Amino acid sequence: GQSLEQPSEVTAVEGAIVQINCTYQTSGFYGLSWYQQHDGGAPTFLSYNALDGLEETGRFSSFLSRSDSYGYLLLQELQMKDSASYFCAVRDVRRSNYQLIWGAGTKLIIKP
Amino acid sequence: DADVTQTPRNRITKTGKRIMLECSQTKGHDRMYWYRQDPGLGLRLIYYSFDVKDINKGEISDGYSVSRQAQAKFSLSLESAIPNQTALYFCATSDPAREGGKLFFGSGTQLSVL
Repeated sequence: GQSLEQPSEVTAVEGAIVQINCTYQTSGFYGLSWYQQHDGGAPTFLSYNALDGLEETGRFSSFLSRSDSYGYLLLQELQMKDSASYFCAVRDVRRSNYQLIWGAGTKLIIKP
Repeated sequence: DADVTQTPRNRITKTGKRIMLECSQTKGHDRMYWYRQDPGLGLRLIYYSFDVKDINKGEISDGYSVSRQAQAKFSLSLESAIPNQTALYFCATSDPAREGGKLFFGSGTQLSVL
């Protein structure tokens, strides 16, 4: 089958570093995306990994290991505005037109 | 101005009513999507369209229909709303040639079916 697993909630302190993990199970893996969603808001794209390794965009980095079916989102120098839900999503070549499979989301709680 | 606009933002309706959610975009993207979001379940694809003449069912299309009136407009209809269709609905667009796999979402429509 196809599935993604990510923790439902993560708590961290302002200024710290936090890692949100995502493991996936699919035979048609093409790439892993990360989206951020604030309460009541729309998901917004953060990053995309198709190849193994680390992609860095400012305070956010995303990592992929295809052999381990695993990726993570790393947030550094946490700010209160980073409090949001973070979704990983896998593009699956076995689905019509490479449709995305979405994780259930990780709620990131940041404490002062 | 929002690139992907959904109307209405909130809607309360009764069981059995027909309702339409509308989406318009100014991004010039050919691909448009309707997703549903329920707490703890992430996003699930209802329908998608790759151009005006191309409409495809997603993983949860039962009870829904769509219309692609123009490149910029994609509407979602619930022919006879039922309470378990209470959810947050998002429209999204994409342009793989220019933006890769990135999806651009509207602000969402919170639908409550009583």
